Amino acid sequence: EAGVVQSPRYKIIEKKQPVAFWCNPISGHNTLYWYRQNLGQGPELLIRYENEEAVDDSQLPKDRFSAERLKGVDSTLKIQPAELGDSAVYLCASSLWDTENYGYTFGSGTRLTVV
Amino acid sequence: DQQVKQNSPSLSVQEGRISILNCDYTNSMFDYFLWYKKYPAEGPTFLISISSIKDKNEDGRFTVFLNKSAKHLSLHIVPSQPGDSAVYFCAARTGNQFYFGTGTSLTVIP
Repeated sequence: EAGVVQSPRYKIIEKKQPVAFWCNPISGHNTLYWYRQNLGQGPELLIRYENEEAVDDSQLPKDRFSAERLKGVDSTLKIQPAELGDSAVYLCASSLWDTENYGYTFGSGTRLTVV
Repeated sequence: DQQVKQNSPSLSVQEGRISILNCDYTNSMFDYFLWYKKYPAEGPTFLISISSIKDKNEDGRFTVFLNKSAKHLSLHIVPSQPGDSAVYFCAARTGNQFYFGTGTSLTVIP
């Protein structure tokens, strides 16, 4: 079974440029999460989707970050414009309510470097 | 407000000995706890979990202990192997929301 797939793995952009990340969750997983992880820190939630509905986006900097989950499957996270402080690893995870440990699985992440 | 804390950023253990990683939490509403292992350049992978109604869960070399009165969680790895060297994150769940600690970097010395 394919895990959570994220692309690209690495991205280097200049500040003020836009950038987008893509996530394909595990098939059938209804909940999708985007996290940001800074060096030496744990993952911090940016947004959580239940199917196609964003049910928790309180930590998403909405002035520059946006996300969407079309048809309740794939998701994209966009930053426009990027700032130096956005350099981090962006992790996508998915889960399913009725499985033990919720099948909570992370993707490999996208490492963003803003220069 | 950090609801899940791992106060030891790093730990070194000799191969064959026991590794003990600790995690403290503040929210009494957490009902499920997980440990994840992360290698460099990879996403965190699930290791072991425990429900709040239990105080111990064992899976091979890995055992998780939960002390609800102390709001303390620990992961025991015995015997430790060099391949266990990684960053370990504890996580706690309430509702459908997960909170992560900052991680402990474990180095198992051959």
